[in-house]
Amino acid sequence: AQSVTQLGSHVSVSEGALVLLRCNYSSSVPPYLFWYVQYPNQGLQLLLKYTSAATLVKGINGFEAEFKKSETSFHLTKPSAHMSDAAEYFCAVSGGIGGGADGLTFGKGTHLIIQP
Amino acid sequence: KAGVTQTPRYLIKTRGQQVTLSCSPISGHRSVSWYQQTPGQGLQFLFEYFSETQRNKGNFPGRFSGRQFSNSRSEMNVSTLELGDSALYLCASSLGGRQGGEAFFGQGTRLTVV
Repeated sequence: AQSVTQLGSHVSVSEGALVLLRCNYSSSVPPYLFWYVQYPNQGLQLLLKYTSAATLVKGINGFEAEFKKSETSFHLTKPSAHMSDAAEYFCAVSGGIGGGADGLTFGKGTHLIIQP
Repeated sequence: KAGVTQTPRYLIKTRGQQVTLSCSPISGHRSVSWYQQTPGQGLQFLFEYFSETQRNKGNFPGRFSGRQFSNSRSEMNVSTLELGDSALYLCASSLGGRQGGEAFFGQGTRLTVV
């Protein structure tokens, strides 16, 4: 079985500061990893995905994540936080409990708070 | 192109009733997955349909069922509703091919059971 752990249910940063959201995964096979963002009362929007092509993945809105196999991590970063980044962020691994081509196992989520 | 459409956006039902939620995937997508999102349990996989067949199922009771039609539209049904079924139900569509394919999510249906 695969699992995802997101460290910190809430992360608060100042506007303009570095954003770092942590994600560790457990997988018995090479994983496909994703970061999604969710705004209030909305669905999930894909920020970026790792599918073994490159360990440093660039996504939308200035976000990027680095896959580190030795640390089983896939942390999400953004150099400079903007007020519009305030949202819930989910890390996910593909092929989880449901198996199948596109079943996703999600972490519990991290609520990102941006201080003015 | 149009995104994933879920209807209705909001529902209020009474305990013991049943409910049907609908999901229209992106044109050309053959895989539809359903997820339940609650504050306590987070996002949990319900099931996935591909070409009208349930391909995978999460750990939910038999009260939760679904189906997919030939046009890839999917419905999810919950029978004998319980208070704990109150949640945001999200549908995701994808091409349905190899693992790692991008899943596109709808805005969800918020179900409240009273």
